[in-house]
Amino acid sequence: KQEVTQIPAALSVPEGENLVLNCSFTDSAIYNLQWFRQDPGKGLTSLLLIQSSQREQTSGRLNASLDKSSGRSTLYIAASQPGDSATYLCAVFGAGSYQLTFGKGTKLSVIP
Amino acid sequence: GAGVSQSPSNKVTEKGKDVELRCDPISGHTALYWYRQRLGQGLEFLIYFQGNSAPDKSGLPSDRFSAERTGESVSTLTIQRTQQEDSAVYLCASSFSQGGETQYFGPGTRLLVL
Repeated sequence: KQEVTQIPAALSVPEGENLVLNCSFTDSAIYNLQWFRQDPGKGLTSLLLIQSSQREQTSGRLNASLDKSSGRSTLYIAASQPGDSATYLCAVFGAGSYQLTFGKGTKLSVIP
Repeated sequence: GAGVSQSPSNKVTEKGKDVELRCDPISGHTALYWYRQRLGQGLEFLIYFQGNSAPDKSGLPSDRFSAERTGESVSTLTIQRTQQEDSAVYLCASSFSQGGETQYFGPGTRLLVL
């Protein structure tokens, strides 16, 4: 059974700092890995999707990497802003599966 | 529509009552997913629809849970004889097709069973 772990559970940084969120998964047979953000009282917003054949994806200040063989992904956020404060979720779509398996998330607070 | 919508946004019910949650996916999206997020827990997969068939129901926690989908549109998740442990946020997502494409999530229904 696929398990996804995110470290740290919570992170507080001053505005302008660069930061890295970590995600690990136990079964490397994945179709893709997705990063989402979740704001209180709202649904999830997709940030980046990395196919299993890719090593990284970039969108603006966000960069996600994938090392499938070691079961790891990182989300790098450059020049953090207070508006980045949210919970960030990592999820993997298993090969031959129909479902995303989520980690419990990292709650990020960016202090002005 | 512009995004995935869910109703009601909040539901408070008494233990033992039945509840019905609704999801309207993005128009044209053939795949629809239900997830549950209990307090302090990660999202748990419940069921996946491709069109109006459900190839994967493996996440439904008990036979009190059921779901239907009409064609490639509205889906309803029904919980019979609700229990306090059913209290959670129920999230619906849709994607253009199956195969791991980006899933677009609705705002969720917050269910509280007293």
